[in-house]
Amino acid sequence: GEDVEQSLFLSVREGDSSVINCTYTDSSSTYLYWYKQEPGAGLQLLTYIFSNMDMKQDQRLTVLLNKKDKHLSLRIADTQTGDSAIYFCAERTGGGNKLTFGTGTQLKVEL
Amino acid sequence: NAGVMQNPRHLVRRRGQEARLRCSPMKGHSHVYWYRQLPEEGLKFMVYLQKENIIDESGMPKERFSAEFPKEGPSILRIQQVVRGDSAAYFCASSLTSPGTGFTGELFFGEGSRLTVL
Repeated sequence: GEDVEQSLFLSVREGDSSVINCTYTDSSSTYLYWYKQEPGAGLQLLTYIFSNMDMKQDQRLTVLLNKKDKHLSLRIADTQTGDSAIYFCAERTGGGNKLTFGTGTQLKVEL
Repeated sequence: NAGVMQNPRHLVRRRGQEARLRCSPMKGHSHVYWYRQLPEEGLKFMVYLQKENIIDESGMPKERFSAEFPKEGPSILRIQQVVRGDSAAYFCASSLTSPGTGFTGELFFGEGSRLTVL
């Protein structure tokens, strides 16, 4: 079945690293994504990783994928106040046309 | 280059009324997806449409909800006889290429329509 889980909240201090975790259940997932939602706005794609990769780095963002444990994480280095938002992981399975989203993790960055 | 445009941004309806939410995809995009976001829940897929066709409506409630994407004009999500449980943010997304053809999954989202049912 399709179920993507995330913790609801994360609080970090400015300048620290943030790690947002996600677990999924569908082993046939082909692509996994991280989206960011700022208050009152839609979702923006931050990054994605193909299922045959273990890691992807893009500037301050590092995505780690543990396919065996069906675990995905997003690390944000040097977290800034502008990073405060809700972060959603999502999976696309097989040739499917829809993304299944997690509940979202609210990241709060404190000074 | 305008992004995905949704309107209205906020809609208030009384129980039993109809709600119509509109979505204009990004220029050149012919694939539209509707998602619903309930408080403290993730986004739930509702329906995927191409021009004049419903491709996947597996997430649509069987009653009162319908969606269309006509040849001309925006995609419309219609909710008849709204109930309080329909109160949510409804997001539309569009994509350029279709799944299965090198599609990497990037969906471009609108800012959402927030429906409140009194």
